[in-house]
Amino acid sequence: EDKVVQSPLSLVVHEGDTVTLNCSYEVTNFRSLLWYKQEKKAPTFLFMLTSSGIEKKSGRLSSILDKKELFSILNITATQTGDSAIYLCAINNAGNMLTFGGGTRLMVKP
Amino acid sequence: SQTIHQWPATLVQPVGSPLSLECTVEGTSNPNLYWYRQAAGRGLQLLFYSVGIGQISSEVPQNLSASRPQDRQFILSSKKLLLSDSGFYLCASTPWPQRKAFFGQGTRLTVV
Repeated sequence: EDKVVQSPLSLVVHEGDTVTLNCSYEVTNFRSLLWYKQEKKAPTFLFMLTSSGIEKKSGRLSSILDKKELFSILNITATQTGDSAIYLCAINNAGNMLTFGGGTRLMVKP
Repeated sequence: SQTIHQWPATLVQPVGSPLSLECTVEGTSNPNLYWYRQAAGRGLQLLFYSVGIGQISSEVPQNLSASRPQDRQFILSSKKLLLSDSGFYLCASTPWPQRKAFFGQGTRLTVV
């Protein structure tokens, strides 16, 4: 059975701080690792990672995958209050099945 | 590209009343479909998933059921709602050969 574990469970930082969110996984046949940001409604897509060592970047957010050690990190630099959200990590396996982690709740204080 | 329609966006229902939430998918065929529930500030709890018409797998025993009468339609139901059924319900799809998931807009259900 596929498994995804995210840490920390929650995090409180101040504006301008840099945060690192962790996602470790166990999967039988890996296809992709996905990061989503969720505020009050449906999750919005951030990154899809399929290859080790290639950093994906979008503004102040970046993510990288390590398929040997079975983890991914999501970095947010110069955090803003608008970054406050739940960040979700998920695995898609070769059977096209999706498994989500429990999420990391990030609160950025002014 | 794929679109997921989920309705209604919000719903207030009395305890003991029935429930039917519908999710339809456009722009793909034979996707895997999922129903999730989310408590406030928490992650997604998988309720049901379906790999094809009439094929439903339940992850959590509960007061809810799901059906997939057509390839691109996924329905979440209850005969009698409980207070504990309140939450944010999300429909999701992983359409082959894409490697990422798509979400409906979600339904915020309050049972009173």
